Amino acid sequence: QKEVEQNSGPLSVPEGAIASLNCTYSDRGSQSFFWYRQYSGKSPELIMFIYSNGDKEDGRFTAQLNKASQYVSLLIRDSQPSDSATYLCAAGGSNYKLTFGKGTLLTVNP
Amino acid sequence: NAGVMQNPRHLVRRRGQEARLRCSPMKGHSHVYWYRQLPEEGLKFMVYLQKENIIDESGMPKERFSAEFPKEGPSILRIQQVVRGDSAAYFCASSRGSSSSYNEQFFGPGTRLTVL
Repeated sequence: QKEVEQNSGPLSVPEGAIASLNCTYSDRGSQSFFWYRQYSGKSPELIMFIYSNGDKEDGRFTAQLNKASQYVSLLIRDSQPSDSATYLCAAGGSNYKLTFGKGTLLTVNP
Repeated sequence: NAGVMQNPRHLVRRRGQEARLRCSPMKGHSHVYWYRQLPEEGLKFMVYLQKENIIDESGMPKERFSAEFPKEGPSILRIQQVVRGDSAAYFCASSRGSSSSYNEQFFGPGTRLTVL
């Protein structure tokens, strides 16, 4: 059973701080990793994807992948109240199927 | 808007009725995926389709659920004889390809199904 585990939170950070979201996966065959943001009552929005070990930066977001540890993280710098949402981690294999974690609820306090 | 489109956005059905959910992929995308999200649960894969082909339906319940993606028109997820446990948000996603370099999946707004 392929699983993706996330801390459900809630994770609460003050405005301007760094929010760190973590995810582990069980399938060593996973090759692609995605972070989605989902506001309450809305659909998931793709914000980052990463395929290789190391860091990938896009604006205020940095995704980190460590395949040896089967660990993926998302850092959000200069957190804003508008970043308050549930963040979903997903892992994909050599095919198309994504396995999602249950998400981490992030609250950024003004 | 070239994004993934789904309709209806909200659907109310009584037990025993049929529900039809439609999805048009993003422009340039030919791969469609359906996911279900139950309250307090994560997104669960249901089915993956390309035009006129069901590639993987391993996540679909064995009975009452079916999906298609015809040569012309949107992909359809059909639920026959709905029960209250079918109440959920159903999301469609599309991607440009299925290999690991191209399988970024973009989601539509979803259809929220309520079964009375």
